[in-house]
Amino acid sequence: AQSVSQHNHHVILSEAASLELGCNYSYGGTVNLFWYVQYPGQHLQLLLKYFSGDPLVKGIKGFEAEFIKSKFSFNLRKPSVQWSDTAEYFCAVSANNAGNMLTFGGGTRLMVKP
Amino acid sequence: ETGVTQSPTHLIKTRGQQVTLRCSSQSGHNTVSWYQQALGQGPQFIFQYYREEENGRGNFPPRFSGLQFPNYSSELNVNALELDDSALYLCASSQAKTGYSLNEKLFFGSGTQLSVL
Repeated sequence: AQSVSQHNHHVILSEAASLELGCNYSYGGTVNLFWYVQYPGQHLQLLLKYFSGDPLVKGIKGFEAEFIKSKFSFNLRKPSVQWSDTAEYFCAVSANNAGNMLTFGGGTRLMVKP
Repeated sequence: ETGVTQSPTHLIKTRGQQVTLRCSSQSGHNTVSWYQQALGQGPQFIFQYYREEENGRGNFPPRFSGLQFPNYSSELNVNALELDDSALYLCASSQAKTGYSLNEKLFFGSGTQLSVL
């Protein structure tokens, strides 16, 4: 079975600061990788996903993530955060033959100060 | 809006009771999955249904069961409730043609908050 760990439970940044949220997974086979975001009072929504190919994936709202297979990592990055990025961020994986049946990490709460 | 609605939004039950949570997906969404999100944790996969049949299950006991109907609605049933079942239950659907497609986006509902006393 796969597992996902997110290193930072809470992150506080000022606007325009750069963001990197860590995500490591544990699984012996091929995985698919996802980042989801949950804005206050809203539903979970997909930021970006990786299936294969270019390990640098670009998502919505200026976010990107890099898959480093040797490190079992899929860190999320954004060069300059905005106050509207305040949300909870979840990394998730699925086994290659399991489609959208996801294993989520514990989440990182990001607060961006204006 | 995701087009996925869940009811009720909040529910209080006592230990040992049974509960049914409901989800209504967009027309054409053949795949529905359910997740349990305990306070301060990420969602945990319970099971997935594709065209009214269960086609994937997480590490949850048999007292968690589900149904999917032809009208794109579905249910999560939990028998013999335990205190640890207190959580936010999320429904997610997609238009996946096979039930395993990664190319189809998952649409999440806002969840049902279940409290077991």
